[in-house]
Amino acid sequence: SQKIEQNSEALNIQEGKTATLTCNYTNYSPAYLQWYRQDPGRGPVFLLLIRENEKEKRKERLKVTFDTTLKQSLFHITASQPADSATYLCALPTGGSYIPTFGRGTSLIVHP
Amino acid sequence: EAQVTQNPRYLITVTGKKLTVTCSQNMNHEYMSWYRQDPGLGLRQIYYSMNVEVTDKGDVPEGYKVSRKEKRNFPLILESPSPNQTSLYFCASSIDRDRARNTQYFGPGTRLTVL
Repeated sequence: SQKIEQNSEALNIQEGKTATLTCNYTNYSPAYLQWYRQDPGRGPVFLLLIRENEKEKRKERLKVTFDTTLKQSLFHITASQPADSATYLCALPTGGSYIPTFGRGTSLIVHP
Repeated sequence: EAQVTQNPRYLITVTGKKLTVTCSQNMNHEYMSWYRQDPGLGLRQIYYSMNVEVTDKGDVPEGYKVSRKEKRNFPLILESPSPNQTSLYFCASSIDRDRARNTQYFGPGTRLTVL
């Protein structure tokens, strides 16, 4: 069955550094992959989408890469700020559906 | 403002007392779904609806019911709540036609406690 893996351990980094989060998946070839941000007690908010034929996508301080051979996406936040502290979820369509399934998320903590 | 709304935001109830959590979206989205989120388990889909009068089970449908009589509304019904349904619930919607993206728009969440 399809598995989506994100590091369950929180990522702690210092303000100003680049945060890199990983999303690995198995047993499927998704047409796209999405990244969402979730703050405690609130609903996830869409950040970026990258399609299978794209290697990299950028939006302001965010960068996403998508390696369909490794079945992996990397999510980077450059010049991180304490306000970037949140849980980041990756999501991708699994099985025969084009509706995304979510990973469990990785918590990012940016220390001032 | 484009949004998904849920009510109530917080609910404490007792075992066996039927309850309904409402969900409404104003974006004319065809696809709507319900998730529950529990620590360590992430978001798990309960039910989804591809359009009016079309609903289907997600990954964890036991103990829940849904209906989709209007495009904008997708209520979640717990006929006989039990303590293991204590969770944070999210409603989400997306434009079903946009298969290349399917961005999910989430509501603010409903924190349910069943005693």
